[in-house]
Amino acid sequence: DTGVSQDPRHKITKRGQNVTFRCDPISEHNRLYWYRQTLGQGPEFLTYFQNEAQLEKSRLLSDRFSAERPKGSFSTLEIQRTEQGDSAMYLCASSLSLGNTNYGYTFGSGTRLTVV
Amino acid sequence: DAKTTQPTSMDCAEGRAANLPCNHSTISGNEYVYWYRQIHSQGPQYIIHGLKNNETNEMASLIITEDRKSSTLILPHATLRDTAVYYCIVRSLTNTGNQFYFGTGTSLTVIP
Repeated sequence: DTGVSQDPRHKITKRGQNVTFRCDPISEHNRLYWYRQTLGQGPEFLTYFQNEAQLEKSRLLSDRFSAERPKGSFSTLEIQRTEQGDSAMYLCASSLSLGNTNYGYTFGSGTRLTVV
Repeated sequence: DAKTTQPTSMDCAEGRAANLPCNHSTISGNEYVYWYRQIHSQGPQYIIHGLKNNETNEMASLIITEDRKSSTLILPHATLRDTAVYYCIVRSLTNTGNQFYFGTGTSLTVIP
């Protein structure tokens, strides 16, 4: 499989529960991004990694959100104490960065979270 | 990264060319124009990108005006499967400004 994989595709959880999503990027891509998308809106940037280092976090990433990429390969996004406002599609993308040049993203199909 | 302006929605007859405009009047010299599309319930898909010359690939053509303040994505023979939201994004390839900032895009409906 040469694409970006996300698991699970769908998640329904009760308010207050913790959830964790996984993203497997394209193997040779050193950058990994997390985006969130709500209905009718374009994707919004949350955070990104270069290899295992988390280099930037959006103000959208509250203290209840944490992302990791421990070995510079797959990444996890955890949401603690979920709220109904967390219901969204969570998209992962990866890209290749060489020197001072960043190439285009490849997105996964996303994880759709519903908090009830 | 520069802001873009796109129409909210457009219709196109199946088999005809779909021309999707994008304004990016504040684009800077090192920023590329990217187009992505998102079919319902899927992640965004890369279509094409360019700096100042017109570009063509198997999916589409990108026409960038000489002053680079606007561009048009052309799907030469639209099919029903081209119904999607199309995002125009301007972004530098350098390490400053590492993310794509998506607006709300243009919702294209291809009509049989």
